[in-house]
Amino acid sequence: GAGVSQSPSNKVTEKGKDVELRCDPISGHTALYWYRQRLGQGLEFLIYFQGNSAPDKSGLPSDRFSAERTGESVSTLTIQRTQQEDSAVYLCASSQPGGQGSNSPLHFGNGTRLTVT
Amino acid sequence: GESVGLHLPTLSVQEGDNSIINCAYSNSASDYFIWYKQESGKGPQFIIDIRSNMDKRQGQRVTVLLNKTVKHLSLQIAATQPGDSAVYFCAEIAFYKLSFGAGTTVTVRA
Repeated sequence: GAGVSQSPSNKVTEKGKDVELRCDPISGHTALYWYRQRLGQGLEFLIYFQGNSAPDKSGLPSDRFSAERTGESVSTLTIQRTQQEDSAVYLCASSQPGGQGSNSPLHFGNGTRLTVT
Repeated sequence: GESVGLHLPTLSVQEGDNSIINCAYSNSASDYFIWYKQESGKGPQFIIDIRSNMDKRQGQRVTVLLNKTVKHLSLQIAATQPGDSAVYFCAEIAFYKLSFGAGTTVTVRA
């Protein structure tokens, strides 16, 4: 079976432009997370989706950031009016209901490397 | 705020030796901890986990130790191999959120 797929793998954009990042989770995984990873740093939580529940958006750094998920499938992370400090790797992860654990570990995609020039 | 951190940013180890990667956490409410391995250009991969009611758990060539008294977590890798070169993150879980530290870069010398 396929893992978590993210596209594009790399994105270079000009400051002020909008970008949309896509995540295809593993089929059957109801939980989906977005994280941001700046160079040489750990992962910063952005947003969490669980089934049809209201998403936890508490990690989104500003109102320029938004994310959507259609049912239990694809998710898109949108960054409007990009700034240079948005440059990072954006990682998506999914898991089965119940979240973390060796019985239902969090599976990460390889991320989208965003560079804002 | 509360965070998960690592004691050392880099670790160089001779192939065949054992590696010990340390992690300090500060959220006493966390009841679940995970170690992840991240290779260049890839997302983090699950290595091993441990719940707060345990102090040791072993996997294949890896052992995680948890000391709740001093809020310390460690990952031991036995007989380190070149393929173990990567960045290692500890993460703690409160409810459904993983909080990650900055990571330790492990380099294996031949």
